[in-house]
Amino acid sequence: SAVISQKPSRDICQRGTSLTIQCQVDSQVTMMFWYRQQPGQSLTLIATANQGSEATYESGFVIDKFPISRPNLTFSTLTVSNMSPEDSSIYLCSVVRSGGSHEQYFGPGTRLTVT
Amino acid sequence: GENVEQHPSTLSVQEGDSAVIKCTYSDSASNYFPWYKQELGKRPQLIIDIRSNVGEKKDQRIAVTLNKTAKHFSLHITETQPEDSAVYFCAASIRGTYKYIFGTGTRLKVLA
Repeated sequence: SAVISQKPSRDICQRGTSLTIQCQVDSQVTMMFWYRQQPGQSLTLIATANQGSEATYESGFVIDKFPISRPNLTFSTLTVSNMSPEDSSIYLCSVVRSGGSHEQYFGPGTRLTVT
Repeated sequence: GENVEQHPSTLSVQEGDSAVIKCTYSDSASNYFPWYKQELGKRPQLIIDIRSNVGEKKDQRIAVTLNKTAKHFSLHITETQPEDSAVYFCAASIRGTYKYIFGTGTRLKVLA
């Protein structure tokens, strides 16, 4: 598996502000994804972070609210913009390693609370 | 759209008994089915997976079975231990891509 880190691990933010979450992997990976996990719920895919191009968003998620960057094969950021209390969740990045495997490995997550 | 149903939502078993969690998927193009274990406050951990060209896979006390015709797959844990207590999620690949759709999760409690 890959070693994946996320920053920050948790944060408390005021409504109307934005937070940028970083995901760093120790080796080159094929795919990077961003998920949201609301309290006590399952994981919902937000978008695929594409290296050097715009992210691909799932239904219900838009770039203005969740801008994503992936400048290289080992790093991505997710910004949660103009936050409201409904954005309080755990945000996780996941990666698929190079080599054709489907296996996804998750970062430790960022616990966001919006007050 | 694609959907993965997971049952039961909670499951309590006595230590040493077996536990079975079942999932049903809707996308006939799904070809990869992982299972994740998530302990409280931790990240989801991949514990076993199965591809569509295989009917069963086993790894020590855990096994997964797949019925492509019925679009069902199941996780079997034998000789359960207290440390197996966690939330388990099934997932299915979407239209043969690397993306997943997750089931709703099963909270497993192993009673000592």
